[in-house]
Amino acid sequence: DIVMTQSPLSLPVTPGEPASISCRSSQSLLHRNGNTYLDWYLQKPGQSPQLLIYMASNRASGVPDRFSGSGSGTDFTLKISKVEAEDVGVYYCMQAVLDSPCTFGPGTKVEIK
Amino acid sequence: EVQLVQSGAEVKKPGESLKISCKASGYSFPNSWIAWVRQMPGKGLEWMGIIFPGDSDTRYSPSFEGQVTMSADLSTNTAYLQWSSLKASDTAKYYCARRRKTTYYGMDVWGQGTTVTVS
Repeated sequence: DIVMTQSPLSLPVTPGEPASISCRSSQSLLHRNGNTYLDWYLQKPGQSPQLLIYMASNRASGVPDRFSGSGSGTDFTLKISKVEAEDVGVYYCMQAVLDSPCTFGPGTKVEIK
Repeated sequence: EVQLVQSGAEVKKPGESLKISCKASGYSFPNSWIAWVRQMPGKGLEWMGIIFPGDSDTRYSPSFEGQVTMSADLSTNTAYLQWSSLKASDTAKYYCARRRKTTYYGMDVWGQGTTVTVS
């Protein structure tokens, strides 16, 4: 299995300030078709996870443009340009380059300072 | 509106069987994958496997292979996750999520989750 790691695991943030989460995979997430299969999901308190970013840098429908994803190969980053109070929750990266299985990172808990 | 609506919470005893459901609406059910994700109490997300309802192609995570069975009913646009003999360690919240087939957009629609308690 591909192992996903995230840092930090806990991230206190100040509203209006930027925030960044790192995700690393134990193998390259570049598929032979040229796509990179790395997603970002946010699970707000008491809610189902929601898709933020797919294929490393594509914002999902309805996701505010303060969220951006970047990276390639094994190193990826999720950035929030200006954190808002509604952005609190646990952020997960997930690899889908190998369907068996896909694997999530451990999650990064974002909370307001 | 595209949505996945999951069945309600379950309380079961060890050794009992269980089948939970995920009903799709607002899109072509046969033509998108349905993934299942487990979240144990206070823990992170675990990908269990994925099924393509159109032909029942199913891929299990090795961690869940032989422990659960995924299925789909095209007549009711419903995906299922079932256990033949529950264990206390199956206590968790289970989510279904859609993943489109022809173009990858991630798991873009999620159900509200089904809480399973085995005690």
